[in-house]
Formats: sequence, structure tokens, C-alpha cells
Amino acid sequence: SQQGEEDPQALSIQEGENATMNCSYKTSINNLQWYRQNSGRGLVHLILIRSNEREKHSGRLRVTLDTSKKSSSLLITASRAADTASYFCATAVNRDDKIIFGKGTRLHILP
Amino acid sequence: GAVVSQHPSWVICKSGTSVKIECRSLDFQATTMFWYRQFPKQSLMLMATSNEGSKATYEQGVEKDKFLINHASLTLSTLTVTSAHPEDSSFYICSARPTRASFYNSPLHFGNGTRLTVT
Repeated sequence: SQQGEEDPQALSIQEGENATMNCSYKTSINNLQWYRQNSGRGLVHLILIRSNEREKHSGRLRVTLDTSKKSSSLLITASRAADTASYFCATAVNRDDKIIFGKGTRLHILP
Repeated sequence: GAVVSQHPSWVICKSGTSVKIECRSLDFQATTMFWYRQFPKQSLMLMATSNEGSKATYEQGVEKDKFLINHASLTLSTLTVTSAHPEDSSFYICSARPTRASFYNSPLHFGNGTRLTVT
């Protein structure tokens, strides 16, 4: 079963612009994580935000979490060609130790 | 640190044969590993949770006799696709979390996936 839904499903922007992706989920969570996947590869962890946190930064990444709306956003500032990838949110649900992934956003940075 | 090695990276097999995929945590111990399946341009679907020294926990709809999971040590989990058919063709990805890592603060570490093609 899938927990999260990202939008948009696909996003193309010019290099240098900011990219914003959103994620909504259904059940209560302990934390929410964002991952990146380059085509045909495994996933790379980007950032983890706990349910009692509202915002977190890591380099050019900014993640927000609104537990009342069951939603999160990932902002990538000053995008680069190397940011082209699929981005997934994933939620850790209670203590059953499962990490459930959303459908992902395919980001394409145009040169 | 926290490297997960998955092997093979790709495999082509004939219908009816079995294929084994290995997932190793190289520099940490992992009591729990996860196996996911991913179709093109789609998300990761959790297939099963692999627990060292005990039986795997399968997600609803995943055939345990079809997808055999063995987690015999703290650094190795294997997924065997038995009697493979073309519909089993997919991208299989494993992940692991260090045993001592906090559930609330620690991400998963992923292998690079295995592309299985059944002809």
C-alpha cells in the first residue's frame, strides 16, 4: 500500500530556478523522509523531518512538515542539472518499522 | 559509511528458473532489511520486511512461496524469485537500517537495485 502522494508528478524547470514538490499522506507518522533516485539506481536519503518539527534545512534543500494537513514540501533552491531525478517522500508509520513511499515527482532541470 | 551492496545489478533469466538477489550491509549490522519492487516510472512497493534469524514479514498480496527471503546474518539478506515468469520482470531494491539506529531519527540505506528480466 502507498501512503504518500506527491505533486506534481512531473516538473520541468530552468536551471537556476527553484523547484517545489509536495507530498500528502494519510495516517499519523513518526517522521517523514525525502529521497532522490537517479534513473535505474537506488535511492539516496536527502533529509528526515520528525513529526514534532516544522521545518528543516540541508544545503539547498528546505523541507516543511504540516502534520495538521498531513503534508510536506521539498524546496530545492538554485537548481542544477545534476538535480534531475525522481524525488520521493516516505513516511515512517508508528512503530511497525515500515517505510512507505509516495508516488514520486520526476524533476527535470533544463539547461 | 552505511553502504548497502546489492548483487547482481542486472540479471536475465528464462521463464521457470529461479534467481537469487543478495543485499549486504558492508559497514554496519542490520537486524532488519526491506525489499521493494519498482515498476518503470512508478514508486517503490514494499514487498517484505526481512528479519535476521526469523521469518520475513510479507505485505498483503506478495506470495511468500514465490519470493523467498532469507536473512541468515546481520549483514546479508537474500531474495529468491522462484519459478520466475515474465510478469516478475521488475526493478528490485533492498534497504537496511543500522541495528542500533533510532527508528525516529534514522533513514534507510539503499542498494543500487537489481534489474530482473525474465524471458
